[in-house]
Order: sequence, then structure tokens, then C-alpha cells
Amino acid sequence: LAKTTQPISMDSYEGQEVNITCSHNNIATNDYITWYQQFPSQGPRFIIQGYKTKVTNEVASLFIPADRKSSTLSLPRVSLSDTAVYYCLVGVGNAGNMLTFGGGTRLMVKP
Amino acid sequence: GAVVSQHPSRVICKSGTSVKIECRSLDFQATTMFWYRQFPKQSLMLMATSNEGSKATYEQGVEKDKFLINHASLTLSTLTVTSAHPEDSSFYICSTDVGPGEAFFGQGTRLTVV
Repeated sequence: LAKTTQPISMDSYEGQEVNITCSHNNIATNDYITWYQQFPSQGPRFIIQGYKTKVTNEVASLFIPADRKSSTLSLPRVSLSDTAVYYCLVGVGNAGNMLTFGGGTRLMVKP
Repeated sequence: GAVVSQHPSRVICKSGTSVKIECRSLDFQATTMFWYRQFPKQSLMLMATSNEGSKATYEQGVEKDKFLINHASLTLSTLTVTSAHPEDSSFYICSTDVGPGEAFFGQGTRLTVV
């Protein structure tokens, strides 16, 4: 499984756009890029997934350059409730494969 | 989407006793479930992969006799921490995968061994 590297922590203020970049230099052809959010004392929650280019849903956008060696999670207009740990995962696309979590990025949104 | 229910959310037990944690897939038949452990300020670490009707596969360094996993049906997997010790105190999370790189996680169980 491809290893991922993310900033350990980030600070932001309410209403700002937050971009969290993840490096995955060894990503394989079949790998998807998936982001999860985890609040304290809760299980992770799926945010967004992509394979290439750009993906957008009601929560976030995911930007993936052509070489797929990195990806950027974009959270528009964050609020205090977006304070959480964000994990970038890269893995193969078969059901039954476990997810390997890296260190994650601890986002602190301030008022 | 699929919902995974984990119970209990919090448990305190005495050292030397056993604790069972349940993970249920409420609207999804999960042939495979995963058990993670998370220590404070750390990431999730995979403990074992639970397969319905067969033995679980444990990650290196995880004692299979201490962390008993049973996956007797397509909707229920259980993790039993046997002879618990204070160092077993942690946050335990189950998950089931529903697609490429996508999984649903339980709410987690905070285990405190005193």
C-alpha cells in the first residue's frame, strides 16, 4: 500500500478555505485516493474519494494532479465543527482490503 | 449508506477480566470486517481482519489469544479482549468496506482497564 505524508497540524479561522495536501509518491495505477475525517472519540467518516482530476461533493473538493503523486483536500468556508483529524488514504480498489492510516492532519478551526 | 453500529461506546473493566465489543453492520452484509486500535493522539492501527465463517487474520504483533475475534454472521463481528490489562486501554474501532478504498466505521469503543 502506498505510504502517505501529510502535515501534522494546521490552523485556520472560521469562514476560510482550508487546503490539506497529501503526498503519495508511490501510488499504484489501481489505487484510489480517499479522505476521512475523525472527531475525538468517534470512528472515521468518509469524506471524499477520487482517482484523478477533480472531485467535488457537498462537503469538500479533491484535487488530484495528472501524476497522482499528491492530492489536496479543499474544505470551503470552514466552521468550528470542522475541527478534526483528516486522513488521506491510498489503496487498491478491491473490497475486502483493509485501509492503512497514516498520521493524519489535525485541523484546528478558530473563531 | 451502510451503517456500522458498535457497542458499547465506553467500558471500564478491572484488570484481569474480559471485555466483549460488538460490531454490527445494520444494512449491509459484511463478509469482512476490520478491527483497529487507536491510542491517544495517534492514528488508527489495524489489529485484525475478520472474515465471516473463518478465522481472523491478525497483524504482526497482535496477540490472537488475547484479542479474540468472532465473525459468526454476515452482520456481526465481536472482539473480546481477554485478561485485560491497563496497557490494553485504548479506543477500539471496527469497520467494514463497501467499495474501493471506502469503508464505514463504527462509533468506536473507549476501553479503560483499571
